[in-house]
Amino acid sequence: EDQVTQSPEALRLQEGESSSLNCSYTVSGLRGLFWYRQDPGKGPEFLFTLYSAGEEKEKERLKATLTKKESFLHITAPKPEDSATYLCAGSGSARQLTFGSGTQLTVLP
Amino acid sequence: DTGVSQNPRHKITKRGQNVTFRCDPISEHNRLYWYRQTLGQGPEFLTYFQNEAQLEKSRLLSDRFSAERPKGSFSTLEIQRTEQGDSAMYLCASGTSLWGTDTQYFGPGTRLTVL
Repeated sequence: EDQVTQSPEALRLQEGESSSLNCSYTVSGLRGLFWYRQDPGKGPEFLFTLYSAGEEKEKERLKATLTKKESFLHITAPKPEDSATYLCAGSGSARQLTFGSGTQLTVLP
Repeated sequence: DTGVSQNPRHKITKRGQNVTFRCDPISEHNRLYWYRQTLGQGPEFLTYFQNEAQLEKSRLLSDRFSAERPKGSFSTLEIQRTEQGDSAMYLCASGTSLWGTDTQYFGPGTRLTVL
């Protein structure tokens, strides 16, 4: 059975304090590893898709990387508006996404 | 706005009633997915359509749940005889098979509360 585990569950940072979120996955026949941002009461917002180990993608203060067993979301010099829950998901031989429980990020001004 | 839309955004119902939700995907997308999300958890897969064909159903989708996508465009998810355990956010997502990617774009969700 496919499994995605995210850590930490919650993370509090001061504005400007860089950090990384971890996503460990066991997904049969991985076709893609996805990162989403979710604000309270809203649907997940797509951030990145990673397809193969060694791949990196960047968007503003966010950079996602992928190894054969993990993915990391690096947040550089975060701002309060980066506060949200960040979800990691994998797609494998089945087309649906298997999600982790998310990391709730709070950035304090 | 050409994103995924869902209606209603909120639904409060009494236990035992039937409810129906609607999802309108991004217009050029042929794949449509339904997920359920409870507080503090990631979304859980319910079912998946490619065009009008329902290709996969999760074991979470009991016989009280039914989904349709009659013309390969919008989709409906019906829950019969609702139970308090059905209270959750129901999310719809769409994607396309054209470029070999499984990237899915989510709608705002329908929040269901069963009293």
